[in-house]
Amino acid sequence: DGGITQSPKYLFRKEGQNVTLSCEQNLNHDAMYWYRQDPGQGLRLIYYSQIVNDFQKGDIAEGYSVSREKKESFPLTVTSAQKNPTAFYLCASSRLGGSPLHFGNGTRLTVT
Amino acid sequence: GQQLNQSPQSMFIQEGEDVSMNCTSSSIFNTWLWYKQDPGEGPVLLIALYKAGELTSNGRLTAQFGITRKDSFLNISASIPSDVGIYFCAGQEETSGSRLTFGEGTQLTVNP
Repeated sequence: DGGITQSPKYLFRKEGQNVTLSCEQNLNHDAMYWYRQDPGQGLRLIYYSQIVNDFQKGDIAEGYSVSREKKESFPLTVTSAQKNPTAFYLCASSRLGGSPLHFGNGTRLTVT
Repeated sequence: GQQLNQSPQSMFIQEGEDVSMNCTSSSIFNTWLWYKQDPGEGPVLLIALYKAGELTSNGRLTAQFGITRKDSFLNISASIPSDVGIYFCAGQEETSGSRLTFGEGTQLTVNP
């Protein structure tokens, strides 16, 4: 079964620590995305990548970093510079050129 | 980044009632998508629309791509308890590549 796998489902970290969220897809999609979702709000784009070894900032990239070394993988690092990191993080992928996004099941990050 | 105006923010209905929600934008979109998100999960695609005026159904769901290309609506007929969740619209502008803009969601509650 093709899909997008995010791990872990729940993640707890202390303030000041960097943390990396995993996202893997076996859909052979070129484009991958990271979104942040806060309670009662919509999805805000953090970073996206349309090709291996290339990525672009979204609307709220500050305090985050990504890499795209393989087509299947797009890990997101939440750095200590992110002022309010506690949120639900969603990874998605798509073919290029306007096809719908397919989402993973999310990682809920709690930083205390 | 641009936001879509999605309304209503929330709806409380009785089982069996019909539901309607819509999204509007100040920009022209060439794709409209409707997603549903269950608690703690990633959004799942319900309907994709690619042409102005297009009317598409998926079971009890019907969505339309507005003629002006600046709006879309989603109707759910004869609601059932499992329709509960958050419904998101998403649109893609001609100049945005593969990026989507999301509405802030409509929280639907169905009382049995």
